[in-house]
Amino acid sequence: AQKITQTQPGMFVQEKEAVTLDCTYDTSDQSYGLFWYKQPSSGEMIFLIYQGSYDEQNATEGRYSLNFQKARKSANLVISASQLGDSAMYFCAMREGGGADGLTFGKGTHLIIQP
Amino acid sequence: ETGVTQTPRHLVMGMTNKKSLKCEQHLGHNAMYWYKQSAKKPLELMFVYNFKEQTENNSVPSRFSPECPNSSHLFLHLHTLQPEDSALYLCASSQTRVDNEQFFGPGTRLTVL
Repeated sequence: AQKITQTQPGMFVQEKEAVTLDCTYDTSDQSYGLFWYKQPSSGEMIFLIYQGSYDEQNATEGRYSLNFQKARKSANLVISASQLGDSAMYFCAMREGGGADGLTFGKGTHLIIQP
Repeated sequence: ETGVTQTPRHLVMGMTNKKSLKCEQHLGHNAMYWYKQSAKKPLELMFVYNFKEQTENNSVPSRFSPECPNSSHLFLHLHTLQPEDSALYLCASSQTRVDNEQFFGPGTRLTVL
């Protein structure tokens, strides 16, 4: 079974609209972390936002926020006021266990912002 | 240099060649990682090093051989690769707290002929 599921392979959104990218996860650990990364066509992975399993409030970083619903095991990324530069692949990832463990990634969502 | 650097950025090699990928981080992190990104597949964790010790080998074939001489440098030695090993190889580093994000290098685009 997949540990990270991103059900939207691709999305087209009009500039300045808000967009929600879906992510569901599967773990039996009580302590885990959820991450979102952006990968532009140039290839580098850019960290966007983090949510810890014990965090009671949803994480926010500028135009990015994370809609964390622990009981549903979902961690959706919300981008407000989308910009043309937001066009990229977006990956949801999870770290289980210790702080040095690697990340498990979803397949990603290809987001295209249209003018 | 700042952040995480990787060399070379592009590499073409034959199946009988031996080559090495290099990763260096200038962030003072203790953990370093190798990931493989193939077309149409999620990023796959390959190896994890924590304080120079290998802590995870994600069932990677022995034709990939990692080396971590110190906390700042990570190598991936390649030999007798297959065409299906063609991919983007990404190096990352982080501190060892569960809430610490991993910082990625720009990757090495590997093509095996």
